[in-house]
Amino acid sequence: GEDVEQSLFLSVREGDSSVINCTYTDSSSTYLYWYKQEPGAGLQLLTYIFSNMDMKQDQRLTVLLNKKDKHLSLRIADTQTGDSAIYFCAESMDNQGGKLIFGQGTELSVKP
Amino acid sequence: DTAVSQTPKYLVTQMGNDKSIKCEQNLGHDTMYWYKQDSKKFLKIMFSYNNKELIINETVPNRFSPKSPDKAHLNLHINSLELGDSAVYFCASSQNLGEKLFFGSGTQLSVL
Repeated sequence: GEDVEQSLFLSVREGDSSVINCTYTDSSSTYLYWYKQEPGAGLQLLTYIFSNMDMKQDQRLTVLLNKKDKHLSLRIADTQTGDSAIYFCAESMDNQGGKLIFGQGTELSVKP
Repeated sequence: DTAVSQTPKYLVTQMGNDKSIKCEQNLGHDTMYWYKQDSKKFLKIMFSYNNKELIINETVPNRFSPKSPDKAHLNLHINSLELGDSAVYFCASSQNLGEKLFFGSGTQLSVL
């Protein structure tokens, strides 16, 4: 089936690290994505990882992929108040025309 | 320059009316999409087009008709609007199916 699961809320203090977790179902996905949505805005592609990678680092962002457990995480180092947003995990369904299946989003709240 | 632009940003209308949302991308991408985001922030694909050809039609009522006059445009026409159509509709584009989608800023549709 198609199911991408995330926890709904995460609250951290400014300067701490944030870790947002996601589980997915399709082991054939070529790409897994993290998108950020600020209030009233569209989705911004933050980062992505190929399914043959375990880790990808991009400045303050670190993506970890555990294919065996179908688990994806996004770590934001030195979290800032401007990082407050909803973060969506998504997998591409390669055997279904490449459509993206999104998780329900994790609302990250960063307190000063 | 906005990469994926959709108009209008807000659309308030009465039940039973017909309305259209327009989308244009200037990224030179071959694939365009419509996604629907409900009040719980859940995102679901509605349609995808590749080079003006319909690729995905995700069991959307046939009151919704996408039209792609060229590969840079994908418009969404909705007939006989219902209360349950109230949502935010996002247009997106990518170079290839399912790869790195770039989203517009959304159209908030309110059906009264």
